[in-house]
Amino acid sequence: EDQVTQSPEALRLQEGESSSLNCSYTVSGLRGLFWYRQDPGKGPEFLFTLYSAGEEKEKERLKATLTKKESFLHITAPKPEDSATYLCAVHSDAGKSTFGDGTTLTVKP
Amino acid sequence: DAGVTQSPTHLIKTRGQQVTLRCSPKSGHDTVSWYQQALGQGPQFIFQYYEEEERQRGNFPDRFSGHQFPNYSSELNVNALLLGDSALYLCASSFDAGQGESYTFGSGTRLTVV
Repeated sequence: EDQVTQSPEALRLQEGESSSLNCSYTVSGLRGLFWYRQDPGKGPEFLFTLYSAGEEKEKERLKATLTKKESFLHITAPKPEDSATYLCAVHSDAGKSTFGDGTTLTVKP
Repeated sequence: DAGVTQSPTHLIKTRGQQVTLRCSPKSGHDTVSWYQQALGQGPQFIFQYYEEEERQRGNFPDRFSGHQFPNYSSELNVNALLLGDSALYLCASSFDAGQGESYTFGSGTRLTVV
């Protein structure tokens, strides 16, 4: 059974304090690994898709990387507006998607 | 360009009743997936519809059923509601099912079972 574990569950940062979120996964045939951002009461918002180990993608202050067992979401010099829950999901060759429970990020000014 | 639209936004039902949730996918998308998200947890995959057929299904009982219409919109039906069915129900659309495309999510329907 596919499995996704995210850590830490919650992360509190000061504005400008860089850090990383971890997503460990096991999947029977990875078709893609996704990162989403979810604000309270809203649906997840797509950030990145990574397809193979060694791949990296960047968007503003966010950078996602992928290995064969885990993915990292690096946040550089975060701002309060980056506060949200960040979700990781794997999409398998069988066509199913499995989400982690997310990391809730709070950035204090 | 409208994104994914879900209705209603909130719903309160009594245990044992039946409920129907609706989803209109993003323009150009042909695949609809449904998820259940309990408070503090990640979305759990219910099923996916493509070409009006259920393509994949997660570990949910038969009380959960769905339908996709020729215009790609979709419904999620839940029978014999239980208190544990209270959750945010998310619809996500994508193009070309099973190709690893990212999903566009709606804002969800908050279902409360009392």
